Amino acid sequence: SYELIQPPSVSVSPGQTARITCFGDALPKQYTHWYQQKPGQAPVVVIYKDTERPSGIPERFSGSSSGTTVTLTISGVQAEDEADYFCQSSDSNGPYVFGTGTKVTVL
Amino acid sequence: EVQLVQSGAEVKKPGESLKISCKGSEYKFIDYWIAWVRQMPGKGLEWMGIIYPADSDTRYSPSFQGQVTMSADKSISTAYLQWSSLKASDTAMYYCARIVADSEGNWFDPWGQGTLVTVSS
Repeated sequence: SYELIQPPSVSVSPGQTARITCFGDALPKQYTHWYQQKPGQAPVVVIYKDTERPSGIPERFSGSSSGTTVTLTISGVQAEDEADYFCQSSDSNGPYVFGTGTKVTVL
Repeated sequence: EVQLVQSGAEVKKPGESLKISCKGSEYKFIDYWIAWVRQMPGKGLEWMGIIYPADSDTRYSPSFQGQVTMSADKSISTAYLQWSSLKASDTAMYYCARIVADSEGNWFDPWGQGTLVTVSS
């Protein structure tokens, strides 16, 4: 079955930059979306279609794509950014696949 | 504000049936697909399936086909997820989410607050 692979964890100091990657064979042909999930809360979309940021999401969140890897970048990380992050895309076997998830820890 | 509000937490015994709900507001409910997503304790997100409330067209993930049933009542802007015989392994948080789609991709926005289902003897 199709998989989207993310690093299990990323640690970053406040004010630094966090980069979270998502790898998948079909990503060159499909857009990827990113969700933030804080403890005890529902996920929230922070980036859609690789690079688009919804209204209300801080500018420090950005997305990029290169071949089979897409990246969510958080510039100037703040303590409130500590959360789990999931990528989501599609494959030919079904419309929706989620990444394995990355826990971002702000040191 | 577009919102999805889910029914409250449930505690059930193995073998019991259950139906949980997801009510949409502040948008035209029949114009958007609704997805259901499972999150087992301490784990990631799993797409279960989708339903189009306008005609109840339903697509299931192969992993959940035959395990759950999705339905919708467009007259009250509500989608449902139901089990006929729960197992302990169904213990999880269940989210509904509206699917936003254009010609280039589909993503989930917003999400319901989640319904925690606990199955224990």
